[in-house]
Amino acid sequence: SAVISQKPSRDICQRGTSLTIQCQVDSQVTMMFWYRQQPGQSLTLIATANQGSEATYESGFVIDKFPISRPNLTFSTLTVSNMSPEDSSIYLCSVGTGGNTIYFGEGSWLTVV
Amino acid sequence: AQRVTQPEKLLSVFKGAPVELKCNYSYSGSPELFWYVQYSRQRLQLLLRHISRESIKGFTADLNKGETSFHLKKPFAQEEDSAMYYCALSGTDKLIFGTGTRLQVFP
Repeated sequence: SAVISQKPSRDICQRGTSLTIQCQVDSQVTMMFWYRQQPGQSLTLIATANQGSEATYESGFVIDKFPISRPNLTFSTLTVSNMSPEDSSIYLCSVGTGGNTIYFGEGSWLTVV
Repeated sequence: AQRVTQPEKLLSVFKGAPVELKCNYSYSGSPELFWYVQYSRQRLQLLLRHISRESIKGFTADLNKGETSFHLKKPFAQEEDSAMYYCALSGTDKLIFGTGTRLQVFP
């Protein structure tokens, strides 16, 4: 398994601002993903963070709104840009260590006011 | 299209009763299926995966390709089983989640 640390764990932000969430893994992993879990809903994949290249975004998510970096095999960031109350959600970093098993961080609880 | 369906949003049982959380999937190839659990104020964690054919915390799940189902079962529910349960499908290197079922086990 992998130990995943996310920062911040929780934040309250003003609308129109941007916030960057960091994800640190204790070992090198091949796959890193960013999910969103809106209140009362299931997890939705935002994008796959690719090391050394642009992230692969799912339908409904765009790079301008959710820029992602992955400079190495243990670290990634997700930025939520120009936030609105609809962006209030839990943002989860997850990693794949092979064999299709995915592990999750504790999530970053974001509230936009 | 890849899709995971959990028809029940909430399942309430009494302690000691059998539990079955339903999961149906849609996938054209050979999927890998998982159950994840999220206890109150804790992170999402893997409960079990179909290829392991294991029993975790008394839970089992059998992949039925004919019915495209992967229902989660436990013969005798415990209060500590109360949580959100998510069925997930792994297709092409990413996980697709169902909408989740909240299990409430009453004493």
